[in-house]
Amino acid sequence: AQSVTQLDSHVSVSEGTPVLLRCNYSSSYSPSLFWYVQHPNKGLQLLLKYTSAATLVKGINGFEAEFKKSETSFHLTKPSAHMSDAAEYFCVVSLNRDDKIIFGKGTRLHILP
Amino acid sequence: NAGVMQNPRHLVRRRGQEARLRCSPMKGHSHVYWYRQLPEEGLKFMVYLQKENIIDESGMPKERFSAEFPKEGPSILRIQQVVRGDSAAYFCASSATGIDGYGYTFGSGTRLTVV
Repeated sequence: AQSVTQLDSHVSVSEGTPVLLRCNYSSSYSPSLFWYVQHPNKGLQLLLKYTSAATLVKGINGFEAEFKKSETSFHLTKPSAHMSDAAEYFCVVSLNRDDKIIFGKGTRLHILP
Repeated sequence: NAGVMQNPRHLVRRRGQEARLRCSPMKGHSHVYWYRQLPEEGLKFMVYLQKENIIDESGMPKERFSAEFPKEGPSILRIQQVVRGDSAAYFCASSATGIDGYGYTFGSGTRLTVV
């Protein structure tokens, strides 16, 4: 069965410190992987995506993620957190075989001043 | 390009009424997906439609929920005889070629509150 696990429901970091949001997936097929961000009362915004090209993917707003097949992980990182990064982040797996996508439960990122 | 448009943004219904949620995909997109976000949960897939066809409705509740994407006009998610448990944010996404990494865009969602 395919699944996505976001290991932390809440993450708190101080402004200016690194961010790490963890995501592990389970898929029988070669997946495409995405990170989306949702700010309050707004739609989801695509941060970055992995589609079998380079394993280190750079996204918007200084975020990046590394696809590690051996660890079935796609963790999201940012070197230095900003207050505007406070939001909910969703890791998403796309099963290219049948066009279905699976969302993780989300990680709420809190930025401490 | 206006993006994916969902309306209304907020919808309040009394128990037993019908709720209709609309989604206009991006220009040129013929694939539409509906997701539901319940409090404290992630987004859950409901249904995938192409023009005039339901491709995958494996995430739709068996009763009271239906979806359509007519040849002309927006996609409609219809919930009959709403109950309190239907209160959630409903998101629509569209793509040109299906979810394979190309142009998958979400709307801002419709927040349904059942009172």
